[in-house]
Amino acid sequence: AQTIHQWPVAEIKAVGSPLSLGCTIKGKSSPNLYWYWQATGGTLQQLFYSITVGQVESVVQLNLSASRPKDDQFILSTEKLLLSHSGFYLCAWSRKTNTEVFFGKGTRLTVV
Amino acid sequence: QQKVQQSPESLSVPEGGMASLNCTSSDRNFQYFWWYRQHSGEGPKALMSIFSDGDKKEGRFTAHLNKASLHVSLHIRDSQPSDSALYFCAASEPTGGYKVVFGSGTRLLVSP
Repeated sequence: AQTIHQWPVAEIKAVGSPLSLGCTIKGKSSPNLYWYWQATGGTLQQLFYSITVGQVESVVQLNLSASRPKDDQFILSTEKLLLSHSGFYLCAWSRKTNTEVFFGKGTRLTVV
Repeated sequence: QQKVQQSPESLSVPEGGMASLNCTSSDRNFQYFWWYRQHSGEGPKALMSIFSDGDKKEGRFTAHLNKASLHVSLHIRDSQPSDSALYFCAASEPTGGYKVVFGSGTRLLVSP
């Protein structure tokens, strides 16, 4: 069975500090990978997607970057956090296009 | 402008009642639709997909798609308190389907 693990579970960071969030997918080779952002109780905004190792596409510009250093690993980062970066970050994967997206448990980020 | 609109924003039904959620896309390129459910503090989980015109039933859940009007609905019969959650409609294109767009969400409350 496939599993998705996100880390950390929660973070409280200062404005202007760096950030690194990660997720690992086990049990599935060459998945499509995604990062989503969600304001409290709000909609899910797709940030990045990746079809293959080393290739990441940006969907919206939010002063964030993403990388896929390994087939099963997806990293979201920024050098300088803004207050607007607060929210719920979800890593997700799918087998191929137009099929079910499987989400991790998310990382709650609070920027103060 | 949000490409996938949902209504109502919130919905309250008694236990055992019928809940009806609606979703409309403004982008005719979106041909594949999914319904997701998110309980508080968790990542969303897919309920069902619908790709063809007409109805699709899975247990207590029935989805309906009208491609001509780009309207999708979800009906939950015999609603249970455990159905209380945030429901999202998601849409994607037949090609480049990894760009999944989520709707604004409907918060459902089922009261005992």
